[in-house]
Amino acid sequence: DAGVTQSPTHLIKTRGQQVTLRCSPKSGHDTVSWYQQALGQGPQFIFQYYEEEERQRGNFPDRFSGHQYPNYSSELNVNALLLGDSALYLCASSSNIMEPGQGSHEQYFGPGTRLTVT
Amino acid sequence: KQEVTQIPAALSVPEGENLVLNCSFTDSAIYNLQWFRQDPGKGLTSLLLIQSSQREQTSGRLNASLDKSSGRSTLYIAASQPGDSATYLCASRNAGNNRKLIWGLGTSLAVNP
Repeated sequence: DAGVTQSPTHLIKTRGQQVTLRCSPKSGHDTVSWYQQALGQGPQFIFQYYEEEERQRGNFPDRFSGHQYPNYSSELNVNALLLGDSALYLCASSSNIMEPGQGSHEQYFGPGTRLTVT
Repeated sequence: KQEVTQIPAALSVPEGENLVLNCSFTDSAIYNLQWFRQDPGKGLTSLLLIQSSQREQTSGRLNASLDKSSGRSTLYIAASQPGDSATYLCASRNAGNNRKLIWGLGTSLAVNP
């Protein structure tokens, strides 16, 4: 099991450009959440996808959008990049199915994509 | 609105010490609480998850406790090693149909040989 994978690992963009980040969840997981982590800060929740729909959203502008595919993989799109969008973008997957005796909704994180906006 | 606080923000200890990291939360109606480790510039590794009905979880040298009534969780690390140096974050998930994690800012731990 490869766990949660993200691509690319690093990315450099200029202000105003658009970027797409990708995430493949852990095998057996159907829910994907995206987080933004600025340097020295805790992760900030962007949104969560389940059954190909955005289920919850944090306090992020509409420039941040996403998508989930039938195979549960997900993309995070950011338009009109700002310098302040520079951060580590983390993807986490979890299972919406509660297994008896197992930790339910435990989130597993990918290694992240480091986005630098210049 | 749930708020999660971690104290101390940074900790430096000699190798071999037992240590405690603290996490407090304002809303006791949590679904579960999760402790993570993050190495510099890296993603998050889940260490322990405690369901709201549980009091503690153990994995190797790590023990996490949960006291919902006081809004506190502690992560105990026994016989610390230099390889334990990292940032430790706690995150709570609220009860109800709310699946997002609310995060503390983390405790940066340095274990000196």
